Amino acid sequence: DTEVTQTPKHLVMGMTNKKSLKCEQHMGHRAMYWYKQKAKKPPELMFVYSYEKLSINESVPSRFSPECPNSSLLNLHLHALQPEDSALYLCASSQGGHPILNTEAFFGQGTRLTVV
Amino acid sequence: KNQVEQSPQSLIILEGKNCTLQCNYTVSPFSNLRWYKQDTGRGPVSLTIMTFSENTKSNGRYTATLDADTKQSSLHITASQLSDSASYICVVSAPKADSWGKLQFGAGTQVVVTP
Repeated sequence: DTEVTQTPKHLVMGMTNKKSLKCEQHMGHRAMYWYKQKAKKPPELMFVYSYEKLSINESVPSRFSPECPNSSLLNLHLHALQPEDSALYLCASSQGGHPILNTEAFFGQGTRLTVV
Repeated sequence: KNQVEQSPQSLIILEGKNCTLQCNYTVSPFSNLRWYKQDTGRGPVSLTIMTFSENTKSNGRYTATLDADTKQSSLHITASQLSDSASYICVVSAPKADSWGKLQFGAGTQVVVTP
């Protein structure tokens, strides 16, 4: 199983809503990531979790709140988002704790988020 | 300035033809270079990953080359198929002692294969 599963695939939310994105992998990977990707742009790193602890927060606004309940799950809680937050949100995972190792990074299929 | 530059920005090729995509990077030190294929609205899928000591790596009809001296890589697609239409992203991994060594993404080359 080399899959990273993200749910939902599509999400439309109002600016006052609270929603969560979910990511799951069963490859035993200990590093998990959230990326944000705008149309025709490369993915931008948001958060990195290593061994279920937050290792990197790329100065992401507090309206995005990550959570790693266990080694297989990664959530992204959303609250009071803005229309400019509309994007494809990608989850990824890699073996061990460091992407600098010559190990593969597996991406999920993403959640297409639209904020209205 | 982006440390990973890809060219061309977009490419249209006829089904069955070959094409080559370029990636130049300035990331240093360098750990590995990856090529991903990303369909519109989907997550990137890995095609190849090469360390600085590898010159070429193949995955089916995809062949990546790497020249670590000139900091250039290419991705060659042989006998293109309609399903090859996608964005191809070059990603360079740089080690850092005090952090995670972020993956540096290129902007991608959009390939369209026409019948």
